[in-house]
Amino acid sequence: AQSVTQLDSQVPVFEEAPVELRCNYSSSVSVYLFWYVQYPNQGLQLLLKYLSGSTLVKGINGFEAEFNKSQTSFHLRKPSVHISDTAEYFCAVRRSGNTGKLIFGQGTTLQVKP
Amino acid sequence: SQTIHQWPATLVQPVGSPLSLECTVEGTSNPNLYWYRQAAGRGLQLLFYSVGIGQISSEVPQNLSASRPQDRQFILSSKKLLLSDSGFYLCAWYPGGQGGYTFGSGTRLTVV
Repeated sequence: AQSVTQLDSQVPVFEEAPVELRCNYSSSVSVYLFWYVQYPNQGLQLLLKYLSGSTLVKGINGFEAEFNKSQTSFHLRKPSVHISDTAEYFCAVRRSGNTGKLIFGQGTTLQVKP
Repeated sequence: SQTIHQWPATLVQPVGSPLSLECTVEGTSNPNLYWYRQAAGRGLQLLFYSVGIGQISSEVPQNLSASRPQDRQFILSSKKLLLSDSGFYLCAWYPGGQGGYTFGSGTRLTVV
């Protein structure tokens, strides 16, 4: 069975500082990895995804993530955050297959302070 | 272009009342469809998924049911709501292959 662990429930950071949101997964098979962002009372928006190839993936809004197979991690980073990045961030994993079920972590609340 | 519609946006229902949330997808055919619930302060829990008309898989036992009467329509229902059914309900579709999910804007359900 697959599972996803987001190690931090809340991450406070000052504006223009770098940030890393941590995500670890467990799976016995190859998986696809995703990061989603959720602004208050809205649906989820895809930030980036890792399917194969280069382990460094660049997404929207200046975010990037690095897939590390040996450590089964997919941490999300941004070199300089803005107030507008304040939101809930979800890491998710999906194994290839017809159903395409996506398993989510518990989420990390990023709080950007002025 | 493909779009996903979910309504209503907010709903306040008394305990014991029925529920019907609707999700429709446009611009695609035979999508995989999903219902997720997000309880306050918690992550997303997969409730149901469907790979085709009339095909429903339930992930967790609960007070809810789902139906897919048409290819691009997915409905979440309950005959009698419980307080514990409160939460943020999200519909999503998956195009297949290596794509990601596309989510609807969600329904905030409060059972009082």
